Amino acid sequence: DQQVKQNSPSLSVQEGRISILNCDYTNSMFDYFLWYKKYPAEGPTFLISISSIKDKNEDGRFTVFLNKSAKHLSLHIVPSQPGDSAVYFCAAARNQGGKLIFGQGTELSVKP
Amino acid sequence: EPEVTQTPSHQVTQMGQEVILRCVPISNHLYFYWYRQILGQKVEFLVSFYNNEISEKSEIFDDQFSVERPDGSNFTLKIRSTKLEDSAMYFCASGRLGANVLTFGAGSRLTVL
Repeated sequence: DQQVKQNSPSLSVQEGRISILNCDYTNSMFDYFLWYKKYPAEGPTFLISISSIKDKNEDGRFTVFLNKSAKHLSLHIVPSQPGDSAVYFCAAARNQGGKLIFGQGTELSVKP
Repeated sequence: EPEVTQTPSHQVTQMGQEVILRCVPISNHLYFYWYRQILGQKVEFLVSFYNNEISEKSEIFDDQFSVERPDGSNFTLKIRSTKLEDSAMYFCASGRLGANVLTFGAGSRLTVL
């Protein structure tokens, strides 16, 4: 069941530059998308979300873009900081209170 | 900030033994979930619970698994007879009515020998 895919298992970026993490989905019934950040030995922590009626949502250094026609979303982190180094998961949901379907995760490493 | 707490943080058990993982969700949340992550793999949905009953479950959540909210604050996951392939991190999560954002606990690592 690969409804949500993150095709890059890892990404390395220099501090201060932009990090772009990508996510694709196949189920057109998804109407809510989220990004979670996960450090080792901790649970996923919510970062930012977007509903399907929008194409962009911004929160500080984090911006999520949604392209519904391409079934693609991306997370931009600008500027990247070493503390951003973690595994980033995108997730999608079909309805309010519904389960989240997670991608495989992308491990981001921000080098000083 | 309110958080979801899980116990134990790590449990080692023998194959065939019963295991109970415990969670205290955020107090005003109404939706409760269990997810698991096998080492190196993605976070997988197991079960959701709302209004004192299972609202959805995955194929993984077979008859060996059960959930309970025994006292209005705890939310438990029981595995009746553990198998080697049950070794994973188990995450509890909770969510408010009207929101899709879930708050996750730190996880319980289950090791089945």
